[in-house]
Amino acid sequence: GESVGLHLPTLSVQEGDNSIINCAYSNSASDYFIWYKQESGKGPQFIIDIRSNMDKRQGQRVTVLLNKTVKHLSLQIAATQPGDSAVYFCAEISLSGTYKYIFGTGTRLKVLA
Amino acid sequence: NAGVTQTPKFQVLKTGQSMTLQCAQDMNHEYMSWYRQDPGMGLRLIHYSVGAGITDQGEVPNGYNVSRSTTEDFPLRLLSAAPSQTSVYFCASSSLGTLGREQFFGPGTRLTVL
Repeated sequence: GESVGLHLPTLSVQEGDNSIINCAYSNSASDYFIWYKQESGKGPQFIIDIRSNMDKRQGQRVTVLLNKTVKHLSLQIAATQPGDSAVYFCAEISLSGTYKYIFGTGTRLKVLA
Repeated sequence: NAGVTQTPKFQVLKTGQSMTLQCAQDMNHEYMSWYRQDPGMGLRLIHYSVGAGITDQGEVPNGYNVSRSTTEDFPLRLLSAAPSQTSVYFCASSSLGTLGREQFFGPGTRLTVL
């Protein structure tokens, strides 16, 4: 069935370094791919999204890359800060009739001082 | 704006009991959804709604009912609680004007079924 998964369950990076969080998806028909951040004890928070007809989108300190050829999504965080420590989820949504969100299992990002 | 609110924050049930998890949003969002999150796992969609009077099943709907009589409220009802329903439950809402991409999540309800 359709699924969104992640390669790395835990990622540790030094403060100030760049972080790259990866995600694989299987539903070629998804219209948008979205990244969420979840801090401990809180609900997920939207970070950035990308439409399926784009391959790159930049936000504040974050960049999302979409490679449809290999069905791969990545989130790049520049100059990682302690406040970036959280679990990051990728998600996808198809807008053709159902509006169903599918979330991946998440990657924990640990920022080392 | 209060955003998305959920009550209660914590709940302990015995097997077989029923209860309703409350969710409300004050952003006039058409789209509302319920997820469960098990330890070390992602979020799994239980039910969702694209407007008042319209609901649909997600990935894991069994054992749960929903209704959407108003735009603001989207309660989730557990019919007969089972230990397998021990989880953290999140409600979310979004505007169909943004095609539902950015969901706003509530703080969650931590449910334990004994």
